[in-house]
Amino acid sequence: DGGITQSPKYLFRKEGQNVTLSCEQNLNHDAMYWYRQDPGQGLRLIYYSQIVNDFQKGDIAEGYSVSREKKESFPLTVTSAQKNPTAFYLCASSDVGANEKLFFGSGTQLSVL
Amino acid sequence: RKEVEQDPGPFNVPEGATVAFNCTYSNSASQSFFWYRQDCRKEPKLLMSVYSSGNEDGRFTAQLNRASQYISLLIRDSKLSDSATYLCVVIGDYGQNFVFGPGTRLSVLP
Repeated sequence: DGGITQSPKYLFRKEGQNVTLSCEQNLNHDAMYWYRQDPGQGLRLIYYSQIVNDFQKGDIAEGYSVSREKKESFPLTVTSAQKNPTAFYLCASSDVGANEKLFFGSGTQLSVL
Repeated sequence: RKEVEQDPGPFNVPEGATVAFNCTYSNSASQSFFWYRQDCRKEPKLLMSVYSSGNEDGRFTAQLNRASQYISLLIRDSKLSDSATYLCVVIGDYGQNFVFGPGTRLSVLP
């Protein structure tokens, strides 16, 4: 089945630790995104990438890093510089063009120990 | 002013009711519009795209008013399974800039 796979579903981070969230898609989409969602809030864009080896900061990129070495993969690292990392993280992908729709993975809940 | 704003909700309606949500956007150059549905602690899923001429999918009707910069979603004959948060999404005037509204929560009561 075509889709977006995020792992792990739940992740715990210790103080000062970097953690990496995985996102893989087999939809052959060019664009991939990472969003953060806090309880009762909308989605905020962290980073996005429209092509391999290129990515742009979103609205809340500080404390996060990404890479796009392969079309299928867009991992997100939450660094120790992100002081309030507890949130629901959603990866998404889309084709690039007019009226293209966004498809989401099932999300990763990150909590701080 | 936020780029995309929605009715604050929550909306609590009885089964069978008709309910309407509104969404306004600030960027007049926005080109594409969508409604997504999100269940608690799940990923958003596309409900429907919104076209200039308006469009209908079963019990759901979406309308776009470019002059007033708002989008609406009408749900007729509400079902218990319609209970969710409804997200308005607007693509801005560059690249793949999907901008999400904060969502409107709907609870359909038996």
